[in-house]
Formats: sequence, structure tokens, C-alpha cells
Amino acid sequence: QVQLVESGGDMVQPGTSLRLSCAASGFSFSSHGMHWVRQAPGKGLEWLSTMSFDEKDLHYAASVKGRFTISRDNSKNILYLQMNSLRFEDTAVYYCGREEGIGYNNVPLLDSWGQGTLVTVSP
Amino acid sequence: QLVLTQSPSASASLGDSVTLTCTLSSGHSKFPITWHQQQPWKGPRYLMKINSDGSHNKGDGIPDRFSGSSSGAERYLTISSLQSGDEADYYCQTWGIGTGMFFGGGTKLTVL
Repeated sequence: QVQLVESGGDMVQPGTSLRLSCAASGFSFSSHGMHWVRQAPGKGLEWLSTMSFDEKDLHYAASVKGRFTISRDNSKNILYLQMNSLRFEDTAVYYCGREEGIGYNNVPLLDSWGQGTLVTVSP
Repeated sequence: QLVLTQSPSASASLGDSVTLTCTLSSGHSKFPITWHQQQPWKGPRYLMKINSDGSHNKGDGIPDRFSGSSSGAERYLTISSLQSGDEADYYCQTWGIGTGMFFGGGTKLTVL
């Protein structure tokens, strides 16, 4: 059974940093691309970043490029999101998601989600 | 520019059926999408993948009441025998080549 568990969310001040983790189990983590998605209060889903199964391919949304860094440790089955220079507008629940299909996919689609971790950026 | 368009809201009565629509922007009518359900105060839950030919693959444990189909640039999610627990936000998702992942704005389903 696929399980994704996010952690690391906290209340922080603007300009500071935070690292989120997503612990995966129940599937071959090293075979799947992984993604980070967030949801601001009362808003829809916003994709942030992805890293391929082999760590060689990564992409970012314009809203976080240069501030956020995605990484993964396939030996520990953990996905990370390093968030720097946090802003008020980064306040959201952050979810990790698994890409369906193994290896590289022409059209990456999500087929599993974690329960989310809350990041609040406040003075 | 890839855009996924969803109606902001939909409603139907308990026991009835409802069809939600996700429309792919011009030039993207062959793209597959996924549907996700988000119940109040919960994280999203994967429902199914729908291909351009209408074939679809449901996630584990998704009831037969949920089905998918496709026509041109439109992808549909049909929920039959509506239950109170189906009241949720429903999002469609796909990937824009060279641009990233996109979500529709979501449809809030109210079960009357």
C-alpha cells in the first residue's frame, strides 16, 4: 500500500528557511518521479516542483524557482523540499505526490498523495 | 499555453448522478488527465486517469460509482448514486510539455 508522509511544516518568519520531508513506503520509491504541490488557504492546487526517479531531471514552477530546491534520497525513500527566503504568500499546506508509471513519463500524472504539512509564514 | 477549465461549482441530489467536466485548451486535446477528490479538510485523493480515447484506470478502492470518459478536448468524471460523502472539491490535472504540471481550478460539488 502506497504511503506518503510529509513532515517539517512549521510557523516561520518571512525571509527564513524550512526543509520539508516526504517519507515514502509501500512501493519502489527509486522507480518513480515525485512532485511537490501546495494549497494556500481557500485556494486550489498549485504544482511546485518535480524530480525524476534517477535525480537527473528536475523542474520548478516560476513562483518558487531560485528559492526552493527539490532533492531525494533513494537509499532512505525520502523526498525533500528546501524552502529559502520564505514569503507570506508561501503559506500553504504542502503535499508530496507520486508520479504514476515508472521511469520517465511523457505526461507525468499524479496517482498518490500524502496528507500534507502546513507551512505558515507570519511575522 | 495549457489551461484546464472546470466549472467552479456543481450540485445534484442524493442518489442522483452528476458529470463534471475538465476542458483542455486548444492544441492539447490528446492529453490524458487525472481526476482527484478533496473532501473538506482533507488532502487530495486520486480517483482515476482518463486518456483521450476515453479509456480510464481507477485508483485502488475507488467505487464503481465513479467512472470516466472523454470527447475531444473534454474529460468527464461521472458519479452515480450520489452520497453525502461525495461532497468535495474535484480537480483535474495534466502536464504541459516544457512548462510543468497544471491543475484545473476545481469544481465544488454540493450534494443536496
